[in-house]
Amino acid sequence: EPEVTQTPSHQVTQMGQEVILRCVPISNHLYFYWYRQILGQKVEFLVSFYNNEISEKSEIFDDQFSVERPDGSNFTLKIRSTKLEDSAMYFCATRLAANTGELFFGEGSRLTVL
Amino acid sequence: DAKTTQPTSMDCAEGRAANLPCNHSTISGNEYVYWYRQIHSQGPQYIIHGLKNNETNEMASLIITEDRKSSTLILPHATLRDTAVYYCIVRASGANNLFFGTGTRLTVIP
Repeated sequence: EPEVTQTPSHQVTQMGQEVILRCVPISNHLYFYWYRQILGQKVEFLVSFYNNEISEKSEIFDDQFSVERPDGSNFTLKIRSTKLEDSAMYFCATRLAANTGELFFGEGSRLTVL
Repeated sequence: DAKTTQPTSMDCAEGRAANLPCNHSTISGNEYVYWYRQIHSQGPQYIIHGLKNNETNEMASLIITEDRKSSTLILPHATLRDTAVYYCIVRASGANNLFFGTGTRLTVIP
């Protein structure tokens, strides 16, 4: 069964450092998402991406965050200057087409900011 | 965003049916009911969705009341691996996104 792949599985970084989280979507999927989940809290939407541009973003997705799909395969989330409160699981998700609602999630990248 | 209400937690004996309720009394005509689950800290996993008819797949059944104000997810023979947080989500047709609530933590007991 096709799956969404995320790397790294766990990253530890110092406050203020830049972090890039990577996602390899399912090959024929057109819609890409990043969600995060702070420990013990609910899964929160960050951003959605379609046709090489952001289609929707939440209040959490401020100027410290950016997304891109530089090579047509990897979908990346960059945090420019990490803060302690950025520590969370970050989930990438993809969707096949506009008329399908099923999102396929990766296993997540755990980010720990010290 | 909380368009759904679910119990915080439930227990179910292994091998028995797990019935997880969801209230969505303000659901609109073009909104679907989706169910996802999250096992421990893994990524959420799609289970099933429906509009107004009952639905069944290899994982579960979804029963939606005639007025569509509530639904029940049924896991017919719960196993220990079904222990997870189950999310009931209302999503409009054509909507770009899914918004997760707090879900129901189902514990399957041996």
